[in-house]
Amino acid sequence: SQQGEEDPQALSIQEGENATMNCSYKTSINNLQWYRQNSGRGLVHLILIRSNEREKHSGRLRVTLDTSKKSSSLLITASRAADTASYFCATAPAGGYNKLIFGAGTRLAVHP
Amino acid sequence: EAQVTQNPRYLITVTGKKLTVTCSQNMNHEYMSWYRQDPGLGLRQIYYSMNVEVTDKGDVPEGYKVSRKEKRNFPLILESPSPNQTSLYFCASSFLAGRSYEQYFGPGTRLTVT
Repeated sequence: SQQGEEDPQALSIQEGENATMNCSYKTSINNLQWYRQNSGRGLVHLILIRSNEREKHSGRLRVTLDTSKKSSSLLITASRAADTASYFCATAPAGGYNKLIFGAGTRLAVHP
Repeated sequence: EAQVTQNPRYLITVTGKKLTVTCSQNMNHEYMSWYRQDPGLGLRQIYYSMNVEVTDKGDVPEGYKVSRKEKRNFPLILESPSPNQTSLYFCASSFLAGRSYEQYFGPGTRLTVT
């Protein structure tokens, strides 16, 4: 089952602009994680936000979590061409040990 | 360097010919998992292992087998591959067998079954 659903499916911006990606999910979670994937390569963990947290920052990344709306957003500020990748949210369902459910991802293209 | 390795990276095979994709991690992680990635579907979990000799099915286990005889290795076995198993496969591991931890991914194995 696909728990996380990202929106938009694709995003194209210019360098220096901010990029915002959204993720919605269906069931209660323990935490929500964001991963980046460069074309055809392995996923790299970006940030984890727990269900009792509302906002988290890591460098140019800002993640918010609204458990009442079952949604999260990932903001990348001052985008660079190197940020071009697919971004996935993954939810760890409450009570589901070691299970991560991934969405289909958002493809971000940052143009110089 | 801490990493998850997979071999082979690319594989083209024929229907019915048994194959094994190896996965190894050097971080002493308890938890390991296999995923397949198909266009528009994201990653779907095939099997996972909480520790040595402890494995369980994920969301799409049909047609696959796994084993965990050593902590560092978690091979994926396709005993009779079929074309619908053509996909990009990822192995992942995480520190403890608990749901709060980030997962570390291997580079992927692109499998084509003709």
